[in-house]
Amino acid sequence: DIQLTQSPSTLSASIGDTVTITCRASQTILRWLAWYQQKPGKAPQLLLHRGSVLESGVSSRFSGSGSGADFTLTISSLQPDDFATYYCQHYKNYQYSFGQGTRLEMK
Amino acid sequence: EVQLVESGGGLVQPGGSLRLSCAVSGFSFSDHYMDWVRQAPGKGLEWVGRSRSRSNGYYTEYAASVTGRFTISRDESKNSLYLQMNSLKSEDTAVYYCVRVVVRWLDPWGQGTLVTVSS
Repeated sequence: DIQLTQSPSTLSASIGDTVTITCRASQTILRWLAWYQQKPGKAPQLLLHRGSVLESGVSSRFSGSGSGADFTLTISSLQPDDFATYYCQHYKNYQYSFGQGTRLEMK
Repeated sequence: EVQLVESGGGLVQPGGSLRLSCAVSGFSFSDHYMDWVRQAPGKGLEWVGRSRSRSNGYYTEYAASVTGRFTISRDESKNSLYLQMNSLKSEDTAVYYCVRVVVRWLDPWGQGTLVTVSS
């Protein structure tokens, strides 16, 4: 099974900051990585897929990069609505792997 | 508009059974893989299982943690997906999400339904 490790687990930032979340896979996964945002009490929402393709309707302040085993999610000019938990996800051999999540909190 | 609405969650005793439903609308249900994903309280996301599309015979696949206890099925006439959960354990306590599969990612997600396994 492919393991996904996110870092950091918790990230403290302020409105207007630019932050980066990392997702590392235990083996190469090409660009088959997605990112989700989850707000408290709500279902996750797809932000990006194929590592860097922004989902329709998602703010361009979100961007993704990486390939192989190392990926990043960058959020620029943080807004109050961005404080949430972020998960990376990969699919292989009919099963999904999720990172453990990164909680983005207001400093 | 694509919508997925889960129902059927609740409190059940260990060893008991529960059936979750997911009513879908706004897309061709039979043409999509559909998954169940769960999230234990305060924890991360865990894939539970899948119903492939009609062209793939609605073949089902499950996570090792639920194999033999959970069964996924569909009713095309009702545009509904189901998760039959038997022999429930305390560790099955979670919010269960119904999700549409798009290529290799999950979008959209239903609002979730809470299952609590406790005596």
